[in-house]
Amino acid sequence: KAGVTQTPRYLIKTRGQQVTLSCSPISGHRSVSWYQQTPGQGLQFLFEYFSETQRNKGNFPGRFSGRQFSNSRSEMNVSTLELGDSALYLCASSPEGGSVPPGYTFGSGTRLTVV
Amino acid sequence: GNSVTQMEGPVTLSEEAFLTINCTYTATGYPSLFWYVQYPGEGLQLLLKATKADDKGSNKGFEATYRKETTSFHLEKGSVQVSDSAVYFCALSGFNKFYFGSGTKLNVKP
Repeated sequence: KAGVTQTPRYLIKTRGQQVTLSCSPISGHRSVSWYQQTPGQGLQFLFEYFSETQRNKGNFPGRFSGRQFSNSRSEMNVSTLELGDSALYLCASSPEGGSVPPGYTFGSGTRLTVV
Repeated sequence: GNSVTQMEGPVTLSEEAFLTINCTYTATGYPSLFWYVQYPGEGLQLLLKATKADDKGSNKGFEATYRKETTSFHLEKGSVQVSDSAVYFCALSGFNKFYFGSGTKLNVKP
């Protein structure tokens, strides 16, 4: 059974640019969540999508957005990149949602560096 | 609100030593509790979980018991190996998202 696939693994962007990250969940999983991981802030919740609808949202500015397609694949977009957006972005999928067992399965993440 | 507090790291142990990583939580309702492990350059892997009070989660020699009376979910292992070196995250689930602790880095020396 394939795991959660995130592409690309590494990305370098310039301040002011925009970026799109992709996540393919485990087959049959309908919930996809995104987290930002930084050394200073730890793991912070961005948003969760379930059946193409945003079901939950963290406290990030509107520059951070996402969407989910009918095949449950998800993308997140960050516009007008800032140096502070440099982070590991983790995608997690689950059958019904993270709070329902068996919980999340995480991808390996996309390492975004903003220069 | 929901939150998780983990002991500060790094924790440095010799191989075959006993490991405890403390985790306490604040939650409304009855959340599920999890331990995740992150190896360098990787995402998070589920290590173990417990879904109700007094449940014991276990995997690969690691154990944690869901203690409602002390709101704790401490991670233990009787004999650590060098390969256990990683960052460990305690988490609770609620409102369709996870609340993670800050992570505890474990270094195991041969």
